[in-house]
Amino acid sequence: AQTVTQSQPEMSVQEAETVTLSCTYDTSENNYYLFWYKQPPSRQMILVIRQEAYKQQNATENRFSVNFQKAAKSFSLKISDSQLGDTAMYFCAFMKRDSGNTPLVFGKGTRLSVIA
Amino acid sequence: DAGVTQSPTHLIKTRGQQVTLRCSPKSGHDTVSWYQQALGQGPQFIFQYYEEEERQRGNFPDRFSGHQFPNYSSELNVNALLLGDSALYLCASSLSGGFTNEKLFFGSGTQLSVL
Repeated sequence: AQTVTQSQPEMSVQEAETVTLSCTYDTSENNYYLFWYKQPPSRQMILVIRQEAYKQQNATENRFSVNFQKAAKSFSLKISDSQLGDTAMYFCAFMKRDSGNTPLVFGKGTRLSVIA
Repeated sequence: DAGVTQSPTHLIKTRGQQVTLRCSPKSGHDTVSWYQQALGQGPQFIFQYYEEEERQRGNFPDRFSGHQFPNYSSELNVNALLLGDSALYLCASSLSGGFTNEKLFFGSGTQLSVL
């Protein structure tokens, strides 16, 4: 079974600064996806960024980037130029890469507050 | 294009009662997954429906059951409610075929409170 661990329950960052959220995972699988989801007060899970484990290049999406260390089973999210709208819960998630639909396994989340 | 819609948004029930939650997937999606998110936790997978059948199930008791209709919408039923069933229930939809499940779209959830 896969597990996802987010060791930072809460974090805060000044507006326009950079913050890094940590995530580690445990799996015996070799092919999988890793995700960061954002959950604002509206409660809807919004995909922030996705990484395929078979790709060595770290994924980037505008101000969001990841540091994927497959051997260490580490998957951190860096948010640059933080904005007030980035305030939310952030969840790291794992998905086995398989034909058909496999479920997501989530961590417990990190609450990020962006301070003006 | 409407995304994933869930109803109701909030619900209050008492222990022992039964509840039905509803989900309409994003247009063009044929697979629906349900997740339970307890307070302070990440979502946990309950089950997934495709072609009107339960295809996968997480570690949830038989009190949790579901259904998918020909129009791909889905219901989650919980019988004999316990206080511990209080949670946010999230529905997610996707399109089957190949490795497409990574493109999940979530609804805003139903907040269930059991008193």
